[in-house]
Amino acid sequence: QSALTQPASVSGSPGQSITISCTGTSSDVGGYNYVSWYQQHPGKAPKLMIYDVSKRPSGVSNRFSGSKSGNTASLTISGLQAEDEADYYCCSYAGSSTYVFGTGTKVTVL
Amino acid sequence: EVQLVQSGAEVKKPGESLKISCKGSGYSFTSYWIGWVRQMPGKGLEWMGIIYPGDSDTRYSPSFQGQVTISADKSISTAYLQWSSLKASDTAMYYCARLNPEGIQLWLGGGWFDPWGQGTLVTVSS
Repeated sequence: QSALTQPASVSGSPGQSITISCTGTSSDVGGYNYVSWYQQHPGKAPKLMIYDVSKRPSGVSNRFSGSKSGNTASLTISGLQAEDEADYYCCSYAGSSTYVFGTGTKVTVL
Repeated sequence: EVQLVQSGAEVKKPGESLKISCKGSGYSFTSYWIGWVRQMPGKGLEWMGIIYPGDSDTRYSPSFQGQVTISADKSISTAYLQWSSLKASDTAMYYCARLNPEGIQLWLGGGWFDPWGQGTLVTVSS
């Protein structure tokens, strides 16, 4: 059960859009529509941003959106803001009652 | 308010045992799975395992099977993560998180983790 692959870092200027990829296999990301995304600021606990690939919890800005194609899920942040600077992790159901997280992506707002 | 509150930071020596806790409030504790997640210093999140407090059904990541024990006491709405013999490599922040939705059948797949506890820092050093 290997970690899902994410880019180590992604950056953008305020107001721009960025996309973070999360690549797995047909046994996890590609096999189920159960991908979630978490934001983690330094020294803080992770916070749910997206679930079931593209659903947004109440209270999360509509600037955050999710999608999936094949074995790769994506998180897009539009209208990038300084407060979006954080680490982001994807997570997928991986079969047999297990879950797997992504390697994590550090988002920098230039 | 739905909340998970974890026990405080621990400093232990190699070979010692440890049990950390995660207390749920504001919801039906027995109706939701509780997961545990490790974050080693400067590293990413790793899924360790999960327990259903209603019947103590427990599942482990293959990476953590045999290395830790997950349990729960539904009478006090608390889940636990324990080690029988700590190693320096167990030094990490440990988070608990509730798996949604309520009563999810894991074998069918699905679920997302929310909310999360504040984390328990475990330091193992001689």
